[in-house]
Amino acid sequence: EVELVESGGGLVQPGVSLRLSCAVSGFTFSNYWMNWIRQAPGKGLEWVANVKEDGSVKYYLDSVKGRFTASRDNAKNSLYLQMNSLRAEDTAVYFCVGGPKAGHWGRGTLVTVSS
Amino acid sequence: QAVVTQEPSLTVSPGGTVTLTCGSNTGAVTSGHYPYWFQQKSGQVPRTLIYETSNIHSWTPARFSGSLLGGKAALTLSGAQPEDEADYYCLLHYSGPWVFGGGTKLTVL
Repeated sequence: EVELVESGGGLVQPGVSLRLSCAVSGFTFSNYWMNWIRQAPGKGLEWVANVKEDGSVKYYLDSVKGRFTASRDNAKNSLYLQMNSLRAEDTAVYFCVGGPKAGHWGRGTLVTVSS
Repeated sequence: QAVVTQEPSLTVSPGGTVTLTCGSNTGAVTSGHYPYWFQQKSGQVPRTLIYETSNIHSWTPARFSGSLLGGKAALTLSGAQPEDEADYYCLLHYSGPWVFGGGTKLTVL
């Protein structure tokens, strides 16, 4: 059974950092690009970042470039998102998405940025 | 980054057919954008329905199909069921970055 489990979300103040993790099981993690996608409360889906199979290539949403860093550890079947200089507009549920044909989603972890 | 456009809302009668579209401000949507379609029911995690224009996952009901239509990606629902009421999002690839459309709220009424 495929499972993606995000963790690391929480309530933080503007300007601080947070690191999200996504533990993957049920498919060969190292064979697939992986993505972070977020959804602000009551809003639509927004792609945030993705990482190539070997971690050598990464792409980012313009508004998070220079603040967020996506990475992966294929030995641990895990995806990460280091989020620095958080802003109120980063408040969202963050989903880990990937696997064959981007078919698998985690349940998400809520990040709330508020003073 | 590019802007992807979808109809904000559509309504379909039970048993009816409806087509949702997905356009790009950079020009015609092609298979090179590898269009994806996602469904999100109220309070649930999204799920991937269609990948790379027209391919369905094993869990995708056969009444859903994807295509390119008039320079846009299209999702057609034939024989709508009450359980198909949901938000539908398209996604296009732009040589690395992905961009979602704003979503279409589909009502089955």
